[in-house]
Formats: sequence, C-alpha cells, structure tokens
Amino acid sequence: RKEVEQDPGPFNVPEGATVAFNCTYSNSASQSFFWYRQDCRKEPKLLMSVYSSGNEDGRFTAQLNRASQYISLLIRDSKLSDSATYLCVVGSGNTGKLIFGQGTTLQVKP
Amino acid sequence: DTGVSQNPRHKITKRGQNVTFRCDPISEHNRLYWYRQTLGQGPEFLTYFQNEAQLEKSRLLSDRFSAERPKGSFSTLEIQRTEQGDSAMYLCASRKQTSTITDTQYFGPGTRLTVL
Repeated sequence: RKEVEQDPGPFNVPEGATVAFNCTYSNSASQSFFWYRQDCRKEPKLLMSVYSSGNEDGRFTAQLNRASQYISLLIRDSKLSDSATYLCVVGSGNTGKLIFGQGTTLQVKP
Repeated sequence: DTGVSQNPRHKITKRGQNVTFRCDPISEHNRLYWYRQTLGQGPEFLTYFQNEAQLEKSRLLSDRFSAERPKGSFSTLEIQRTEQGDSAMYLCASRKQTSTITDTQYFGPGTRLTVL
C-alpha cells in the first residue's frame, strides 16, 4: 500500500465548476500536510499547506481529518489556468522529507 | 523561478554510462533533498542533506547512486552504469531548517534523464 494515495483522475470539468480532490495517508504520526501543483514537465510548486482547522486561499480550500487520515482540496469557480496535476503531500519526520501521492490530473475546459 | 537551479536540464545517455547532475540550492537553505519522478507518478524521495552531512538515503538509492554536498552548498548526484530504468526527472529541493515543520521546500526545475 502506498503511503499517500490519490485518485489519478483525470478530472475533466467545465470552467466555473467546483471540483474536489481527496487523498489518504497511512502514517498516523505524520505532522505536516500540503497540496502542490505541478504543470506539465515542470517542477512541483507549493499550492498551500493544510491545517487541522482547515484553511482557505481564494478559490482553494484545504481540509485535514487526522482521525480518518484524509486530506481534501476544493477548487471553486475553476479557471482554465487551474489545469494541472495536484499532488497530495505529507511531510515525514524530523528530516522534513516529503511523501507524494501519485497526483490527480485536472483539465478545465471552456 | 524558485531560486534553486539544476544542471543540466536534459541529459541523454547510453546505457552503461555514468552521469552527474548538479543542484544549487537557495543560499541560506541548509537542507537539501533529491527526489526522482517517473512518468505518471509523484516524486519519490531519494536522499537528504543537512549542511554537508547526508542524513538519510532511500532504499531507491542503489549502490550505483551517490550524492555529495561538499561544504554544504551545491550538491551532486551521480549515477554509475546507467540503466534504462533510471530514466526519470531528478528533482532537487531546498529548505531552511527552522522550528516550523510546515516550512516550504522549494524545487528546482529538474534534470530530465533519458537512458537509451
């Protein structure tokens, strides 16, 4: 079983739609959680950290459920420029190394 | 541009050759990480440096792989006797060591290796 699991998609949605991505992680001792965005053939870039209380950044809302070991990302009012792969990421231990999910591909269509 | 640079950006080599990649992290970042990403997968952790000390290596890092970070600045990743299965994007990331576990890792643009 992978340490971080995501549905790879692809998710094909029209502009303006709301889309939700989920992921689960296996290590209950994990302490830090993130969503990264990766455009085709580019490096991953931090989209947002995820906190237990939930957090929002514009059209993006991230939630963490430690009891269920579940992380979510909600994108409202999708834009064409949101088309990318979204990586669910868990920070591991004192080293800070990152454990990535497979990524979920989003394609927003006009 | 995150401030992390990697060279070369692309490398094509024949099976059995040795290759070396370089990563220059953000100057005040004392933590440096190497990851490998294959098509359709998320990046996988390879190894981690704190200053010049290599503190963790993944099982993915076979004996053919070696990484160094002399003087705690730039880092190199060498692959000896390359195999076709080594074809991947090799990503470097750096981070400050702080008390905040959520501090961001900044990724370089990666080196794309193709082994023929």
